[in-house]
Amino acid sequence: KQEVTQIPAALSVPEGENLVLNCSFTDSAIYNLQWFRQDPGKGLTSLLLIQSSQREQTSGRLNASLDKSSGRSTLYIAASQPGDSATYLCAVKGTGGGADGLTFGKGTHLIIQP
Amino acid sequence: DTGVSQDPRHKITKRGQNVTFRCDPISEHNRLYWYRQTLGQGPEFLTYFQNEAQLEKSRLLSDRFSAERPKGSFSTLEIQRTEQGDSAMYLCASSSALLQGNYGYTFGSGTRLTVV
Repeated sequence: KQEVTQIPAALSVPEGENLVLNCSFTDSAIYNLQWFRQDPGKGLTSLLLIQSSQREQTSGRLNASLDKSSGRSTLYIAASQPGDSATYLCAVKGTGGGADGLTFGKGTHLIIQP
Repeated sequence: DTGVSQDPRHKITKRGQNVTFRCDPISEHNRLYWYRQTLGQGPEFLTYFQNEAQLEKSRLLSDRFSAERPKGSFSTLEIQRTEQGDSAMYLCASSSALLQGNYGYTFGSGTRLTVV
């Protein structure tokens, strides 16, 4: 059974810092990995999707990497801003087709101090 | 509107009552998923439809839960005889079998259920 772990569980940094969020998964047989953002009491917003054959994806100040063989992904946020404060969730999709759904980590709660 | 819509946004109900939630997926998406998220946890998979067929149900989905997707369009999730443990955010997501590799899943804003 796939398990996804996110470290740290919470992080508070001053505005302007670069930071890294970590995600690890136990079964390397994944189809893709997706990073989401969730604001308090809200749904999920997709940030980046990395296919199993890819090493990284970039969108603006965000860069996500994937090392499938070691079961790890990182989300790098450059020049953090108070608006980046949210919970960041990592999710992996297994290779069994759509029926596998997504397996999520518990998230990293990020606070950017102004 | 090109996103996934969920209704209602919030629902407060008394224990023992039945509740029904609705999800309207992105129109081109043939796959629809329901997830449940409790405080401090990541979303957990409940059930999945491809078109109108319900292809998988998690063991989290007890006999009090039922989901439908008539005609492969919108979906409903019903909880009968609600219990306080059912209090959670219920999230709907959709994807395209053809495009999933490129675009992944799109989630709605969720329905927050509080059972009192």
